Amino acid sequence: DAKTTQPPSMDCAEGRAANLPCNHSTISGNEYVYWYRQIHSQGPQYIIHGLKNNETNEMASLIITEDRKSSTLILPHATLRDTAVYYCIVSRRSNDYKLSFGAGTTVTVRA
Amino acid sequence: AAGVIQSPRHLIKEKRETATLKCYPIPRHDTVYWYQQGPGQDPQFLISFYEKMQSDKGSIPDRFSAQQFSDYHSELNMSSLELGDSALYFCASSLHSGLPVPYNEQFFGPGTRLTVL
Repeated sequence: DAKTTQPPSMDCAEGRAANLPCNHSTISGNEYVYWYRQIHSQGPQYIIHGLKNNETNEMASLIITEDRKSSTLILPHATLRDTAVYYCIVSRRSNDYKLSFGAGTTVTVRA
Repeated sequence: AAGVIQSPRHLIKEKRETATLKCYPIPRHDTVYWYQQGPGQDPQFLISFYEKMQSDKGSIPDRFSAQQFSDYHSELNMSSLELGDSALYFCASSLHSGLPVPYNEQFFGPGTRLTVL
């Protein structure tokens, strides 16, 4: 699996957008970008995934650069409940493939 | 909606003892994964099963074994426990042929916190 690089921490004001960058310069053509988050000691939670097109769901938006070497997760209106560790994971296109969690970004949303 | 169930939620053992962790996947999910998360660390993949067969293996110690049963629940057996085995153990499940579920969306349970004294 391709390696990912994320900033270790980020602060965000409540109600503002949070933009979380991720570098995955060695991503291969059959690998997707997934984002999960883990709220303190809870099980990780799926947020969104994408291959090459931008994606949006009820939780977030995912912007993938044209060369696919980096991406940005956007939380449009951060709330205090969005405080968590956010993981960018590159994984093969498969329904039964392990998730390799690297060092994620600790996002702290402040009132 | 039903979620992944793990039991027990907390477990305290002495060194060299054995422990069994159980995982009940979301109904109709056929794939189960086990992850270990040590204090202050990120989750690390241990092992996975699809249709009762081991499908992938990570950095799981030889002292650990796991299996998936006919009802798709899974058990992680840990023997000769060491202090370093103290961690959160997460089970996740997914549906192999999961359309329209996104590829590789894994649903995680609440975890079992194992403390080895």
